[in-house]
Amino acid sequence: EAGVTQFPSHSVIEKGQTVTLRCDPISGHDNLYWYRRVMGKEIKFLLHFVKESKQDESGMPNNRFLAERTGGTYSTLKVQPAELEDSGVYFCASSRTGPYGYTFGSGTRLTVV
Amino acid sequence: AQSVTQLDSHVSVSEGTPVLLRCNYSSSYSPSLFWYVQHPNKGLQLLLKYTSAATLVKGINGFEAEFKKSETSFHLTKPSAHMSDAAEYFCVVSEGGSSNTGKLIFGQGTTLQVKP
Repeated sequence: EAGVTQFPSHSVIEKGQTVTLRCDPISGHDNLYWYRRVMGKEIKFLLHFVKESKQDESGMPNNRFLAERTGGTYSTLKVQPAELEDSGVYFCASSRTGPYGYTFGSGTRLTVV
Repeated sequence: AQSVTQLDSHVSVSEGTPVLLRCNYSSSYSPSLFWYVQHPNKGLQLLLKYTSAATLVKGINGFEAEFKKSETSFHLTKPSAHMSDAAEYFCVVSEGGSSNTGKLIFGQGTTLQVKP
């Protein structure tokens, strides 16, 4: 099966601009997660979708971040407006419900200058 | 609340010698624990997972980990390091337990250096 795919792999934007990250989960995986690692810190949970519904968005840092999951398929994470502290690597993961494990994408490295 | 602590931020070994990456966890119930590895410019790859079956878990590439409830530890070991093992390793606990639907809590990561 195809893995979790993230676009773009790298993005460099200026402070104040908008960026949209995309994640395509493994087909059939109802659960989709976003995580982030900022420089020098541990990987932190952002939010969890079950199909198209937000199950848990307790990790979203502020209202500049908006995540959507259209029709329970791919997901987008938009940052508007981007700030310097948003720089980091954004990971997406998906899973089936049950003891099947999580599969991560390769991440999007976001640099805000 | 669950948490994990990786006791070493950096470990350096010589090729062919044993690897030990240490992890302690905190959980209010029987946890699901994982080790993930990230090679440079790659995604996170699952090495192994513990979900309350056997306490000694074997993973890919010769790695294994032992769940010790009395010590709240889940250390990762490998008998003989290979150059290709150089990477960053993450100890992870799942809030969802064995259902694998909850969020993951990551340790700070341990960078493994393998010297020739």
